[in-house]
Amino acid sequence: DVLMTQTPLSLSLTPGQTASISCKSSQSLRHSDGKTYMYWYLQRPGQPPQLLIYEVSKRFSGVPDRFSGSGSGTEFTLKISRVEAEDVGVYYCMQTVQLPPITFGQGTRLEIK
Amino acid sequence: QVHLVESGGGVVQPGRSLRISCAASGFSFSNYGMHWVRQAPGKGLEWVAVIWYDGNNKYYADSVRGRFTISRDNSKNTLYLQMNSLRAEDTAVYYCAKIAVPGIYDYYMDVWGKGTTVAVSS
Repeated sequence: DVLMTQTPLSLSLTPGQTASISCKSSQSLRHSDGKTYMYWYLQRPGQPPQLLIYEVSKRFSGVPDRFSGSGSGTEFTLKISRVEAEDVGVYYCMQTVQLPPITFGQGTRLEIK
Repeated sequence: QVHLVESGGGVVQPGRSLRISCAASGFSFSNYGMHWVRQAPGKGLEWVAVIWYDGNNKYYADSVRGRFTISRDNSKNTLYLQMNSLRAEDTAVYYCAKIAVPGIYDYYMDVWGKGTTVAVSS
């Protein structure tokens, strides 16, 4: 199984600051087809997860450009510029390069002070 | 608008069975693979199973293989999860989720339902 390890597990920021969440995988998420199968989701309190970023750095429809993804191989980062109250929730990274199983990171809880 | 609505959750005794459903609307259901993902109380996301758009291939997490069966009825735009030999550790909110890309080219989810709660307790 591909292990996904997120750091930190929690963040507490004031509005306007930048959040940075790391996700490291136990093996490369780059497939022989050239794509990297790495994704980011946000789960707001009491809500199902919603897709933010697909294939490392592509923003899903409707996702503000304050959200950006980067990385390659086994190390990836989600950055949230100018955090707002609506960004509160748990952020998960996910891989689909090797399944079964599809695996998620443990989640990073973002709190806005 | 894409809409996924899970149903069928409830309280069930250990060792018993339960079938949950996911009604899909707003897209061509028969063209998209579908997942079940669960979340135990206060815990993270755990992938459970995936089924191809045509139902011809299914994959399961080790924790449920042999006990759970994912299936679909494309004529009814409905996804199912038959859960047998339920255990306390199966207690969770179960989400169905649509694969973003039609066909079999990728497995990531773009739309999730609100979930149905399954509690396994005597």
